Amino acid sequence: GAVVSQHPSRVICKSGTSVKIECRSLDFQATTMFWYRQFPKQSLMLMATSNEGSKATYEQGVEKDKFLINHASLTLSTLTVTSAHPEDSSFYICSAREPSGRGETQYFGPGTRLLVL
Amino acid sequence: QQQVKQSPQSLIVQKGGISIINCAYENTAFDYFPWYQQFPGKGPALLIAIRPDVSEKKEGRFTISFNKSAKQFSLHIMDSQPGDSATYFCAASIGGSARQLTFGSGTQLTVLP
Repeated sequence: GAVVSQHPSRVICKSGTSVKIECRSLDFQATTMFWYRQFPKQSLMLMATSNEGSKATYEQGVEKDKFLINHASLTLSTLTVTSAHPEDSSFYICSAREPSGRGETQYFGPGTRLLVL
Repeated sequence: QQQVKQSPQSLIVQKGGISIINCAYENTAFDYFPWYQQFPGKGPALLIAIRPDVSEKKEGRFTISFNKSAKQFSLHIMDSQPGDSATYFCAASIGGSARQLTFGSGTQLTVLP
């Protein structure tokens, strides 16, 4: 299957700072990428859909000014958590939709563990 | 309409046994049903997927059974192994440019040696 990478794998930051997470599709071009948030022992919660060259579409309840998404190229999307607070601590996972065929398949990155002190 | 209900929440199976996880959906517009496997601290990995035009799909020890009239689908893991111990998520999506996945709540599978 296709490979999606994320960087960093884990980050610890102080409250009030901003953190940038990168998501890359390594062996295919992804016009659409997704960002999820997952709390311990819970399912994945979709935060936003990222489309290359256009503004991201955010799910209801997700603050677009707090979670900035940029999809500047067909292989890279970034999520910036601005002015992070302890309640933002979570596991952030991106996925990329493979454009071949019917474009149904999403491949997930390994996730980024964010801890805000 | 967008919800996918998954059961059981947790499952314990002996090595060599069959693990069965069930999902049900309401929205008949769903046309793609993948299963993902997630190990602790890792991202979900696509395991197997099915479209509603077939009733069963098998890949190795993993089989999806799909019942369109009942709006249910299930994952069967044959000859379960301790290495299969993970959290399994069913999901569904609707055709279109976005193709967002709607996830089930997850099943934590433990296979005892």
